[in-house]
Amino acid sequence: QVQLVESGGGVVQPGTSLRLSCNVSGFTFTSYGLHWVRQAPGKGLEWLAVISYDGRNTFSADSVKGRFTISRDNFNNTLYLQMNSLRTDDTAVYYCAKDRFPYRHTSGWVPDYWGQGSLVTVSS
Amino acid sequence: QSALTQPASVSGSPGQSLTVSCTGSSNDVGGYDSVSWYQRHPGKAPRLIVYEVNTRPSGVSTRFSGSKSGNTASLTISGLRAEDEADYYCSSYTSSHSVLFGGGTKVTVL
Repeated sequence: QVQLVESGGGVVQPGTSLRLSCNVSGFTFTSYGLHWVRQAPGKGLEWLAVISYDGRNTFSADSVKGRFTISRDNFNNTLYLQMNSLRTDDTAVYYCAKDRFPYRHTSGWVPDYWGQGSLVTVSS
Repeated sequence: QSALTQPASVSGSPGQSLTVSCTGSSNDVGGYDSVSWYQRHPGKAPRLIVYEVNTRPSGVSTRFSGSKSGNTASLTISGLRAEDEADYYCSSYTSSHSVLFGGGTKVTVL
């Protein structure tokens, strides 16, 4: 079955960097776009970024544009989120999610299956 | 972009129907038939229950239905059951090629 497993979370200081990984199985990795979504304590879901199935197109939320970068390794079935200049308000559980539709380039994104999340705490 | 607007909480008795609204703008909900709904039980990952306004993934109960009018989408749960008690989130594709979530609605079964 479809499985997504996030890793790389932890406690970091403000201003530092962290890279999250998401290993997937149960579907053809190279056919689907992938998302990162987070949930801060006591808050709702916040979509962060998506990368198309072939990695050629990426889109991100204004709140993280210029600080967070989504990428993928289609040889190792792994999704990444590089997070730079972390702030205390980036503290959240970070989820990776598979898109519902194969071979989408730029539109109609629908996060479908989700991982269990990885906690990132930014604190001095 | 601001989150889509959902009521913080909605409640109903078993067997009743209830509706959760999700209001956006012409740049998201009103502009595209790409509204989704997710169910989230505590400690669990979100589960997609409706996409493209009114399509259910296989395995999702027919008690869940979606609709849209203008800039507002709605999720209706009919024949409310105890196991429907959860948080519900709407989302929409946007004109910025992004995804925007609602703030979430806590559904309580009385």
